[in-house]
Amino acid sequence: ETGVTQTPRHLVMGMTNKKSLKCEQHLGHNAMYWYKQSAKKPLELMFVYSLEERVENNSVPSRFSPECPNSSHLFLHLHTLQPEDSALYLCASSQDGRGTYNEQFFGPGTRLTVL
Amino acid sequence: GDSVTQMEGPVTLSEEAFLTINCTYTATGYPSLFWYVQYPGEGLQLLLKATKADDKGSNKGFEATYRKETTSFHLEKGSVQVSDSAVYFCALSDNTGGFKTIFGAGTRLFVKA
Repeated sequence: ETGVTQTPRHLVMGMTNKKSLKCEQHLGHNAMYWYKQSAKKPLELMFVYSLEERVENNSVPSRFSPECPNSSHLFLHLHTLQPEDSALYLCASSQDGRGTYNEQFFGPGTRLTVL
Repeated sequence: GDSVTQMEGPVTLSEEAFLTINCTYTATGYPSLFWYVQYPGEGLQLLLKATKADDKGSNKGFEATYRKETTSFHLEKGSVQVSDSAVYFCALSDNTGGFKTIFGAGTRLFVKA
């Protein structure tokens, strides 16, 4: 595997379910990100981890819970979601957070539908 | 705070037409600037970048020049192809280690054969 991979690619869940999204980067990067991409809205940064420490948390509801066990893996745990949480969730990584080194490499995304 | 404004789409062009997608930014420092592209069903991928004033980024026939005096980073291509149909995002990242990349809203491009 190369680059940034995400699983699953598609997920349908009910509002009472618990599920997790997984992201893995094979680039040796130090920073990893979760973004939410909704139709007709700008890309929303949700969480940032640098060397496994959370460095950014943009007022995301607690029903989204990130986990970064090591610098190559990132999870997004989901529970009691709402239909408006349906979106494409993108994972990205970068070498670090500074300017040109913040060039981000994105995974293909997980298309989430909440019923 | 920092921000990125890009032209609203969609932009519809015929094959071999000239493309310009405007992007302007607001930043307190001297950011790095990026253009990302998102093809249907995929994540974003870096198209080109520029790290300082007057730098020109280029890739796959696309170009953009970092203009500090007009705070702009317009994307251009001389002759578009149907395969260029995608959504294009302008973005900036400061050089202070803040981990935040500011993305524009995206401009959808349709190229007709």
